[in-house]
Amino acid sequence: GDSVTQMEGPVTLSEEAFLTINCTYTATGYPSLFWYVQYPGEGLQLLLKATKADDKGSNKGFEATYRKETTSFHLEKGSVQVSDSAVYFCALSDLAGNQFYFGTGTSLTVIP
Amino acid sequence: GAVVSQHPSWVICKSGTSVKIECRSLDFQATTMFWYRQFPKQSLMLMATSNEGSKATYEQGVEKDKFLINHASLTLSTLTVTSAHPEDSSFYICSADRRGQPQHFGDGTRLSIL
Repeated sequence: GDSVTQMEGPVTLSEEAFLTINCTYTATGYPSLFWYVQYPGEGLQLLLKATKADDKGSNKGFEATYRKETTSFHLEKGSVQVSDSAVYFCALSDLAGNQFYFGTGTSLTVIP
Repeated sequence: GAVVSQHPSWVICKSGTSVKIECRSLDFQATTMFWYRQFPKQSLMLMATSNEGSKATYEQGVEKDKFLINHASLTLSTLTVTSAHPEDSSFYICSADRRGQPQHFGDGTRLSIL
């Protein structure tokens, strides 16, 4: 069945460092891919998404490209800030929207 | 194995009935659980934050009288869709906060209202 494998954390970076959180997926068909962010005590917020191969999602300096050939959707940011400290979830959904599959989440802490 | 159990996984019912969805944390206590909804071809939308022993906090635009949330114990939160109509047909998923760890998600409930 469909699944998402996400780089485990926790990840600790210094401010302005480069961030990569790896995410690979297994799916039959052509899913949509998402990155969600969770701040302490809050629910998930959509960070970015891509709905087809080679699409690049971007938001707040974060980017991820839908790579069908490597079945990946890695999250990147060139210069992290303390305010980026949160838990990040990679997710996959089929086109019908009948199911969501989440990675296990990666906790990011950015230190000044 | 699963640490959050969501039940039922799929329900079909007639318009006008009420449907209850359960979300259980299996081996930990969750003071906070979240309920999400996904419309076809869209991302998940946070509906409400469920806090044990207190009223749920609903997101803007979510009808609290329509979507009743009860978090009566540290391991169980329920979402009741009252007087369901076809436009309530959707995929609903819960998650539970576990101290020191990322959220754990249920497998979701596909609700179809005829």
